[in-house]
Amino acid sequence: AQTVTQSQPEMSVQEAETVTLSCTYDTSESDYYLFWYKQPPSRQMILVIRQEAYKQQNATENRFSVNFQKAAKSFSLKISDSQLGDAAMYFCAYRKEGYQKVTFGTGTKLQVIP
Amino acid sequence: KAGVTQTPRYLIKTRGQQVTLSCSPISGHRSVSWYQQTPGQGLQFLFEYFSETQRNKGNFPGRFSGRQFSNSRSEMNVSTLELGDSALYLCASSLSGQGFGTEAFFGQGTRLTVV
Repeated sequence: AQTVTQSQPEMSVQEAETVTLSCTYDTSESDYYLFWYKQPPSRQMILVIRQEAYKQQNATENRFSVNFQKAAKSFSLKISDSQLGDAAMYFCAYRKEGYQKVTFGTGTKLQVIP
Repeated sequence: KAGVTQTPRYLIKTRGQQVTLSCSPISGHRSVSWYQQTPGQGLQFLFEYFSETQRNKGNFPGRFSGRQFSNSRSEMNVSTLELGDSALYLCASSLSGQGFGTEAFFGQGTRLTVV
């Protein structure tokens, strides 16, 4: 079974600084996708960034980027120039190709300090 | 383009009752998945429907059931409610099961409280 592990229950970062959230996963599949979702207090799960396993190039979306290490099964999220609106729970997630079931990590609560 | 809509946003039910939650996916999306989110268990997959058929099911008791209509709207039903069913229920829609670009888009959830 696939598992996703987030070892940092909480993190904090100063506004305008950079923070990295860690995620590791376990799978025997070769075709899959990885995601980072953000869940603010409003509860809506918002997709932050996605990565296809077959792509070696790390995905980037504006201030958000990932460090995808397939062999190590590691998928960390880097947030640059942190903003107050980035404060939320961040979930690392895995989905196998061809299936809609998403397996989530336990989440990292990010606090942004003004 | 309207997002995923879940109704109601909040529900309070009594133990032993049953409840039905509704999810309207993004227009054009045919896959709808349901998740239960609790502080103790995190986010857990309940089931997924595609073209009115259940394609995948998580490890939940038979009290949890669902269905999907021809317009892709989905309902989730929980019978004989237990206190442990108190949770945020999230619905997600996506285009299909194949290929990139089929990420799940989530609704705001239904907060169910069982008393």
